[in-house]
Amino acid sequence: SYEVTQPPSVSVSPGQTASITCIGDELGEKSASWYQQKPGQSPVMVIYQDTKRPLGIPERYSGSNSGNTATLTISGTQAMDEADYYCQAWDSRSVIFGGGTKLTVL
Amino acid sequence: EVQLVESGGGVVQPGESLRISCAASGFIFSNYWMHWVRQGPGKGLVWVSRIKSGGSDTGHADSVKGRFTTSRDNAKNTLYLQMNSLRAEDTAVYYCARENAGTFDFWGQGTLVTVSS
Repeated sequence: SYEVTQPPSVSVSPGQTASITCIGDELGEKSASWYQQKPGQSPVMVIYQDTKRPLGIPERYSGSNSGNTATLTISGTQAMDEADYYCQAWDSRSVIFGGGTKLTVL
Repeated sequence: EVQLVESGGGVVQPGESLRISCAASGFIFSNYWMHWVRQGPGKGLVWVSRIKSGGSDTGHADSVKGRFTTSRDNAKNTLYLQMNSLRAEDTAVYYCARENAGTFDFWGQGTLVTVSS
């Protein structure tokens, strides 16, 4: 079965750029989405169709997807961005989530 | 405003059954595919099932296939998950989510299902 892999944790200093990767076989041929989840809350979509940002999501969030890697980039990271982040893609008729990455803003 | 409100969670013993629901409002429910996604305690998101807009086609993760059934009542704007032969590893918060062009653009607040003797 298809799998995507994320790093368990990423740390970043306030104001710096955070990059979270999602790696899967030929993932660039699929459409990737990213979700933010803060403790005790439901997930929120922050990127869809690889690069698109929903209304209400700050411009500092961006995405890319090529080859085997999809990447979520947060520029000028703020304390409020500290959360778990999940990538998501489709494989055949099933949905695949990455294991999640805990972003810590130090 | 789009709203998804899950209900029906609780504590059940291994082997028992439970049905959870998701009431939708603020959009034309019958136009959208809907999904169930679960999250075990301290764990990540795991896809459980999907159902097409008309309800005629469903798909389930291998871990629940044959035990869980997904259905919907478009007249009542409600999504259901019937869970049979529950196991301890099914313990999780269950979210319903609206699918829009391959992505989950709205999520409910979740309902907790605990399977324990």
